[in-house]
Amino acid sequence: GAVVSQHPSWVICKSGTSVKIECRSLDFQATTMFWYRQFPKQSLMLMATSNEGSKATYEQGVEKDKFLINHASLTLSTLTVTSAHPEDSSFYICSASRTAGTGELFFGEGSRLTVL
Amino acid sequence: AQSVTQLGSHVSVSEGALVLLRCNYSSSVPPYLFWYVQYPNQGLQLLLKYTSAATLVKGINGFEAEFKKSETSFHLTKPSAHMSDAAEYFCAVSGGIQGAQKLVFGQGTRLTINP
Repeated sequence: GAVVSQHPSWVICKSGTSVKIECRSLDFQATTMFWYRQFPKQSLMLMATSNEGSKATYEQGVEKDKFLINHASLTLSTLTVTSAHPEDSSFYICSASRTAGTGELFFGEGSRLTVL
Repeated sequence: AQSVTQLGSHVSVSEGALVLLRCNYSSSVPPYLFWYVQYPNQGLQLLLKYTSAATLVKGINGFEAEFKKSETSFHLTKPSAHMSDAAEYFCAVSGGIQGAQKLVFGQGTRLTINP
């Protein structure tokens, strides 16, 4: 199966700083990437859909200025948590697809953010 | 709109016993349905998916699920549990071919296997 990698796997930062999480498709070109947030022992909530070369589409209730998403190439999407606060601490997971619309999704390993 | 309800946040079975994880869905369009497995601090791995073909879907690791439209269900089963099956399982639904990639996940079911 296709491989999607996230970096970093773990990050601890101070409140008020910004953190960037990368999502890479290692062996395929991803036309679409998705970012999810998962609270402890809870389900995944879709935050935004990221299409290469265009602005991300955010789900209702997700602050686009807080969670900046950039999909500059067909193999890389980044999520930047700006001015992070403890309530932003969570497990962030990305997924990617070769084909827009119906292609199978491949998930990254996730990135755990802890804001002190 | 789509939604998913997983009945039972925690299921515990003995090794070798039948595994049954329940999932009911709601969808305003013909749905695509998925089961994913998540091991601690990892991403999700696709177990199987239903995309309007055969209603009985076989997946990896001996799992299978049956789409029952009349019951709006997509329960996951495995005849004989292994210790390695212990993990979190998520059922997900998407809006069919038009919205196949926009997944709505259930709350998850933690499966524990007793020796």
